[in-house]
Amino acid sequence: GAVVSQHPSWVICKSGTSVKIECRSLDFQATTMFWYRQFPKQSLMLMATSNEGSKATYEQGVEKDKFLINHASLTLSTLTVTSAHPEDSSFYICSARGGTGDSYEQYFGPGTRLTVT
Amino acid sequence: GQNIDQPTEMTATEGAIVQINCTYQTSGFNGLFWYQQHAGEAPTFLSYNVLDGLEEKGRFSSFLSRSKGYSYLLLKELQMKDSASYLCAAMDSNYQLIWGAGTKLIIKP
Repeated sequence: GAVVSQHPSWVICKSGTSVKIECRSLDFQATTMFWYRQFPKQSLMLMATSNEGSKATYEQGVEKDKFLINHASLTLSTLTVTSAHPEDSSFYICSARGGTGDSYEQYFGPGTRLTVT
Repeated sequence: GQNIDQPTEMTATEGAIVQINCTYQTSGFNGLFWYQQHAGEAPTFLSYNVLDGLEEKGRFSSFLSRSKGYSYLLLKELQMKDSASYLCAAMDSNYQLIWGAGTKLIIKP
């Protein structure tokens, strides 16, 4: 159980366009979803935390108008990178947490590799 | 501030044992996680410790000392497929994960 999917797995887009990444919890209800970015050979960097039905909480330095997050249901969160630039090229990973019982484990999606040309 | 420290890189031999240490400082504490991440892939869960002591799960074991702000991941009978980065993450009082930079483990034949 506890499977999280992401779509697409990889995407190449032109500078100035927008890209939407979907994150779905397939077999549990995710009360909280997290979006991370990871540059090569670096650790995960938390971008934002979203709870179903409420606005996302962004980490310091992350532009909320550039990285739009929507968590409309307990199984789906989307990240839209608006007006993408080459420096936005990175590995974007979502994780989901049910937050029930004693386990606050985060289940990770497989990641989306974004390349902006 | 909140901080996680773990070695950047370690090398070990196939069949041997390796211990990856992690020290943490967080605002409150709700447990310590270890994740494995192969290059180009997302992290996968290995272990969760919230009480002091050793948790054993097959070839992998994880230890926690809350008073010392210290944890380690112990890998036995190393296999080539264990070559990966190992991420230590502590959960703070807001149930947010504070991530270490990861330890790259290189296994040699």
